[in-house]
Amino acid sequence: DAMVIQNPRYQVTQFGKPVTLSCSQTLNHNVMYWYQQKSSQAPKLLFHYYDKDFNNEADTPDNFQSRRPNTSFCFLDIRSPGLGDAAMYLCATSNLGTSGTFNEQFFGPGTRLTVL
Amino acid sequence: DAKTTQPNSMESNEEEPVHLPCNHSTISGTDYIHWYRQLPSQGPEYVIHGLTSNVNNRMASLAIAEDRKSSTLILHRATLRDAAVYYCILINPWSSGNTPLVFGKGTRLSVIA
Repeated sequence: DAMVIQNPRYQVTQFGKPVTLSCSQTLNHNVMYWYQQKSSQAPKLLFHYYDKDFNNEADTPDNFQSRRPNTSFCFLDIRSPGLGDAAMYLCATSNLGTSGTFNEQFFGPGTRLTVL
Repeated sequence: DAKTTQPNSMESNEEEPVHLPCNHSTISGTDYIHWYRQLPSQGPEYVIHGLTSNVNNRMASLAIAEDRKSSTLILHRATLRDAAVYYCILINPWSSGNTPLVFGKGTRLSVIA
């Protein structure tokens, strides 16, 4: 089945130690999103790629970076994780067509990040 | 995107219908009403969407008020598996920005056996 895969499902890192979360998709979608979801809160968009074009949300900290080496893969890099970065990180994809068309987003299961 | 308002939580008995309300009084003419849900420990999943007419699919029905200022997601027979947080989101597909989802607080639905 076509899907969005996130690895690992659980990640533990130390305060200040760089960490990378990965997302892959078999849907061949042109847009990939990263959301952060803290405990008991709604998901919040960090940034997204439309093909190779990177779109950063205005309030996303510089500590968060992303890479999309090809259509299938997208990475979230946290350069110096703080305790406040502990959260579920959700990857999603959609296929953006012509303006006015509906584009359902497909989410992966998420990676739960713990910062010690 | 226009803002939506939903109750924080609702409770339902298993196998009974559930009506989840959403208010969106500032909706624009080009905003579609989307519903996503998030099961425990999973990513959100699409449920249904509509513009003006009521919509049905295998998961749920969407009833949209005539003035479009409110809508209701209807689960015809709630099961334990429907326990989730339900998000009502307005999306304007003609706007720029590749239509990322802006999640509100959603409604946490509990289903009692």
